Amino acid sequence: EPEVTQTPSHQVTQMGQEVILRCVPISNHLYFYWYRQILGQKVEFLVSFYNNEISEKSEIFDDQFSVERPDGSNFTLKIRSTKLEDSAMYFCASSRGTSGRNIQYFGAGTRLSVL
Amino acid sequence: SQQGEEDPQALSIQEGENATMNCSYKTSINNLQWYRQNSGRGLVHLILIRSNEREKHSGRLRVTLDTSKKSSSLLITASRAADTASYFCATSSYNTDKLIFGTGTRLQVFP
Repeated sequence: EPEVTQTPSHQVTQMGQEVILRCVPISNHLYFYWYRQILGQKVEFLVSFYNNEISEKSEIFDDQFSVERPDGSNFTLKIRSTKLEDSAMYFCASSRGTSGRNIQYFGAGTRLSVL
Repeated sequence: SQQGEEDPQALSIQEGENATMNCSYKTSINNLQWYRQNSGRGLVHLILIRSNEREKHSGRLRVTLDTSKKSSSLLITASRAADTASYFCATSSYNTDKLIFGTGTRLQVFP
């Protein structure tokens, strides 16, 4: 069964460093998402991406964050200068179509630890 | 206001018992979905119920949706130790593709 894959599973970085989290969505999906979950808290929406552009973003997704689909398969989340409060589990998701009718499939996540 | 509050926050039962988790939300929705998360792992989709549906079944899972009360419930029948996980509801609203997740219910099933 096709699945969303995320790498790395765990990323440790120093405060102020740039990190890139990588995702390979399911191959025939067109909508891509990033969510995050701070330990013990809710899963929060960060950004959605469709047709090579951001379709929606949350307040969390400030200028430190960016997303890119550099080729036909990868979808990346970059945090330019990490802060301690960026420590969280980051989930990538993809869906065939809009959320009204389609399931979002999630990857296993990347645990980001900012020291 | 918070979209997606679940209760109970934690639930402990014996294998073979049924587990019921509830989710309430505040805004109009297009659909409501339930996900499972094993400790520290990814989110696994369980079931999607559309706003015009009232009940849906999938194996040992039964989901109900009451749009007048803005609430949903997830029933797991004949629970197993392997059902131990956190369960989240997530709502999808019109004019947006983002999912808004609830606070989750931690289910522990004892063998």
